[in-house]
Amino acid sequence: SQQGEEDPQALSIQEGENATMNCSYKTSINNLQWYRQNSGRGLVHLILIRSNEREKHSGRLRVTLDTSKKSSSLLITASRAADTASYFCATEYFGANSKLTFGKGITLSVRP
Amino acid sequence: DVKVTQSSRYLVKRTGEKVFLECVQDMDHENMFWYRQDPGLGLRLIYFSYDVKMKEKGDIPEGYSVSREKKERFSLILESASTNQTSMYLCASSVRVQETQYFGPGTRLLVL
Repeated sequence: SQQGEEDPQALSIQEGENATMNCSYKTSINNLQWYRQNSGRGLVHLILIRSNEREKHSGRLRVTLDTSKKSSSLLITASRAADTASYFCATEYFGANSKLTFGKGITLSVRP
Repeated sequence: DVKVTQSSRYLVKRTGEKVFLECVQDMDHENMFWYRQDPGLGLRLIYFSYDVKMKEKGDIPEGYSVSREKKERFSLILESASTNQTSMYLCASSVRVQETQYFGPGTRLLVL
């Protein structure tokens, strides 16, 4: 499988703390995306980072990409209870007919 | 805002029934996708369509077919439902295949 692999599988933090989630992948990519899924709902796109970018910000989100290590991190700063959700990384591989491949997800729980 | 709607949130069917899952998007997107999501397996692509009447198999097309007669509508068909098709089904659309995907709320299908 060419899925990205998220790490950890589950994360529990206190409100106000930062949450760091990681994604590793196997072969060269065009871009990497992070999505959020609230319980029982569809996925919502958070951020897209291209292979020639190293870091992107969106509000309290910071995404980094290290193509030499084939890994990405999603940092949520000053977490809130509403950030409780599953987070997925999705990669678009070179030569993969340009489809996105999703990982299995990280379950983040933010305790009030 | 992009809106992707799915015909049912919950569906219960009997083994052997023909099942239609409908998806409609209102943003004139070229590309539409059907995924299934199962615990521990993440999202897996069933079929996608890059234009009206065009379709391509994803990673797990067996037991499914699709129809795209109009640009805004993409249907997933289970010709003869089986219990192993009990799952959450997610529809998505995008401007370009490898870019941001917009997801519907999902249909939770139970096959008895």
